Amino acid sequence: AQRVTQPEKLLSVFKGAPVELKCNYSYSGSPELFWYVQYSRQRLQLLLRHISRESIKGFTADLNKGETSFHLKKPFAQEEDSAMYYCALIDSGNTPLVFGKGTRLSVIA
Amino acid sequence: KAGVTQTPRYLIKTRGQQVTLSCSPISGHRSVSWYQQTPGQGLQFLFEYFSETQRNKGNFPGRFSGRQFSNSRSEMNVSTLELGDSALYLCASSFRQEAYEQYFGPGTRLTVT
Repeated sequence: AQRVTQPEKLLSVFKGAPVELKCNYSYSGSPELFWYVQYSRQRLQLLLRHISRESIKGFTADLNKGETSFHLKKPFAQEEDSAMYYCALIDSGNTPLVFGKGTRLSVIA
Repeated sequence: KAGVTQTPRYLIKTRGQQVTLSCSPISGHRSVSWYQQTPGQGLQFLFEYFSETQRNKGNFPGRFSGRQFSNSRSEMNVSTLELGDSALYLCASSFRQEAYEQYFGPGTRLTVT
């Protein structure tokens, strides 16, 4: 079965410091990976997906099939980045989106 | 476009009761998924519907059920409520059958006492 692991429940960084939120997955096929974000008092929303290879709000994520990882990175954290981040996976075909347990990012001024 | 709406937003029930939650997807979206969100387990998939058919079901007991109507609105029902069912229940809709990008509702906070 597919599994998504986010090893850190909480990550605290100082404003302006680099951020890396880790995500590892176990799946033998070719999954599609996503990062979803939930800001305080807001809905869960899609942040980025690996196939689009774009940078959203300064965040990027690279799919490393060899290490089965999809870490989310940002070079300089901002206070408004404080939120709950979920890594998610879907394979091609008729399967649901599988989420990791999430990492709470806290950016300290 | 109006976003995904869920009703009610908050609900308090006692053990043994049943509850029905409602979700209205974004107009034009035909796929609706339900998730249970708790601090300990994160987001756990409940079920997914597309064009009134259940396509996938998560690993939850039979007390959890759902359905989708012809207008794509969906309901989920939990019977014989247990304390452990207290959670935020999220509904998400997507346009295509493959749930590549899902739009989430605000959730229904269910508290079982």
